[in-house]
Amino acid sequence: DTGVSQDPRHKITKRGQNVTFRCDPISEHNRLYWYRQTLGQGPEFLTYFQNEAQLEKSRLLSDRFSAERPKGSFSTLEIQRTEQGDSAMYLCASSLADRVAFFGQGTRLTVV
Amino acid sequence: LAKTTQPISMDSYEGQEVNITCSHNNIATNDYITWYQQFPSQGPRFIIQGYKTKVTNEVASLFIPADRKSSTLSLPRVSLSDTAVYYCLVGVSNYQLIWGAGTKLIIKP
Repeated sequence: DTGVSQDPRHKITKRGQNVTFRCDPISEHNRLYWYRQTLGQGPEFLTYFQNEAQLEKSRLLSDRFSAERPKGSFSTLEIQRTEQGDSAMYLCASSLADRVAFFGQGTRLTVV
Repeated sequence: LAKTTQPISMDSYEGQEVNITCSHNNIATNDYITWYQQFPSQGPRFIIQGYKTKVTNEVASLFIPADRKSSTLSLPRVSLSDTAVYYCLVGVSNYQLIWGAGTKLIIKP
């Protein structure tokens, strides 16, 4: 499968713990996006990279959230000191420049 | 940034053609219209994209009138597996697209 891959698919963590998610984009895609989606809502943009440069960050991306794409390939999204309000589906997508974005299956985070 | 308005939900039956209309009155000259499908607990899946007139692929057709202030996604001969949420998005840059709540389509046997 050469689509966008996310790991893990599910994560349950205790409040206050740190979590890290990984996204492997489609190999030739230079742009990588992170979104958050809560039940009944559409995805909300968090941040995106062009190659290794983080070009845009949403106001939703608090200082507890950090994303990296060190070599312009895979990306990680870390949430520090998780809160119950962080419970959501975290989606990664990739695209070639501004062409259509393709999404991964998402990581479902539950903070207990 | 162009916002869209689409029905919250729709019902139809297997074998029927389903048309979902999206309004985007403030669409900009360079904006494209893109539709995604999403099943529960999965990421959105790209269906179709267009700029004007009609676009057709193996899954759906997209009809865009001359003024581009609306668009209609047409799904031919739907099946139960087409039950999903459908999102209409308008814009140029992926990161600027505004995702609403979409249209929840329920297909009945």
